Amino acid sequence: DTAVSQTPKYLVTQMGNDKSIKCEQNLGHDTMYWYKQDSKKFLKIMFSYNNKELIINETVPNRFSPKSPDKAHLNLHINSLELGDSAVYFCASSPVLNTEAFFGQGTRLTVV
Amino acid sequence: QKEVEQNSGPLSVPEGAIASLNCTYSDRGSQSFFWYRQYSGKSPELIMSIYSNGDKEDGRFTAQLNKASQYVSLLIRDSQPSDSATYLCAVRGSGATNKLIFGTGTLLAVQP
Repeated sequence: DTAVSQTPKYLVTQMGNDKSIKCEQNLGHDTMYWYKQDSKKFLKIMFSYNNKELIINETVPNRFSPKSPDKAHLNLHINSLELGDSAVYFCASSPVLNTEAFFGQGTRLTVV
Repeated sequence: QKEVEQNSGPLSVPEGAIASLNCTYSDRGSQSFFWYRQYSGKSPELIMSIYSNGDKEDGRFTAQLNKASQYVSLLIRDSQPSDSATYLCAVRGSGATNKLIFGTGTLLAVQP
């Protein structure tokens, strides 16, 4: 059983398109995150939800919009994709806010 | 000053040696510290967490924390080629959102 699962694993799309990445965790965790890992491997937090409430919204373009329909799901929608959005996007979850995070397998987004 | 700093490496050690990975952080109020291992093309995997000053051992891994010096390290004893990966230091910030902030990672190469 996969604890934190993301779909799709790979996403290749053209500039200007809109795409979504889905994430689900079956660990019963309260907190979920989206991280972006760039080509230099730096993991930067984008958003965090605690019990469906947005608690962290880093300096991310408005084209990125997270949605948490329930505690077990956190999706990421990206409008008007740009070349610079190409990266690996990781979903993660924590039991509670201040504990360790467990990561999904990542979604490699390539914008052409 | 970066919030979490690591030497990017690569750190090259011979098989069987001790690998020492270091991390400093800027938020003096941080209380939770984690080490993740990331193989190329894979997601970060939690290997150690530490919350109190001193040493914490788990198998071949020892995490060391010194809050006064704002320093956390990871020692890997009897290093194996399979330990070759990027090691990410992560620190929970002290703010209301307890952001989990990652360092840029240290690439470890264990030479057979």
